[in-house]
Amino acid sequence: NAGVTQTPKFRILKIGQSMTLQCTQDMNHNYMYWYRQDPGMGLKLIYYSVGAGITDKGEVPNGYNVSRSTTEDFPLRLELAAPSQTSVYFCASSYGQGRTNEKLFFGSGTQLSVL
Amino acid sequence: DAKTTQPPSMDCAEGRAANLPCNHSTISGNEYVYWYRQIHSQGPQYIIHGLKNNETNEMASLIITEDRKSSTLILPHATLRDTAVYYCIVANNQGGKLIFGQGTELSVKP
Repeated sequence: NAGVTQTPKFRILKIGQSMTLQCTQDMNHNYMYWYRQDPGMGLKLIYYSVGAGITDKGEVPNGYNVSRSTTEDFPLRLELAAPSQTSVYFCASSYGQGRTNEKLFFGSGTQLSVL
Repeated sequence: DAKTTQPPSMDCAEGRAANLPCNHSTISGNEYVYWYRQIHSQGPQYIIHGLKNNETNEMASLIITEDRKSSTLILPHATLRDTAVYYCIVANNQGGKLIFGQGTELSVKP
């Protein structure tokens, strides 16, 4: 299994541009998550999904959109990039059932700079 | 979800046990204690979790006090590769709300 795969690994955007961060997992996990991590800080939950067609807001959803049309994919959309969205973005997934709902598997991250 | 308190940083000598404390005095009866670590610029890695009994796996041991208000993560023989930020998280296992705090930055020194 490849696990959780994120693309791209690095990206530079200009203010006002839009882009989609891709995330796919091959573990047949029900739950998927997007986090951001600013320098020297902990992770902040942006959005999460408990299954195809179902998404919900996390701690810091403003400026982002998500969709979950398949179990495998959970893309994160930035519509109007702002410097405050400069961060490292991590996608994660989990089984979502029973005792291990919170055993998350993380991707390697996307480093985004908005200039 | 209950909040956790961890020391911001700790040092440990290579080969010694690293004992990382976590306070979670407001933990509810249905909440688990999870530990993750993040090695510099990588995605966090799951280590271990428990409800009320002590747990051990190939990476670490988790000791939870009887009143469940605190816990300790033990790395029995720390190596330089264990240098990382360690996060203690309390969650109710219903998914979707894993909140990361600041964690403890563990430095393993030769």
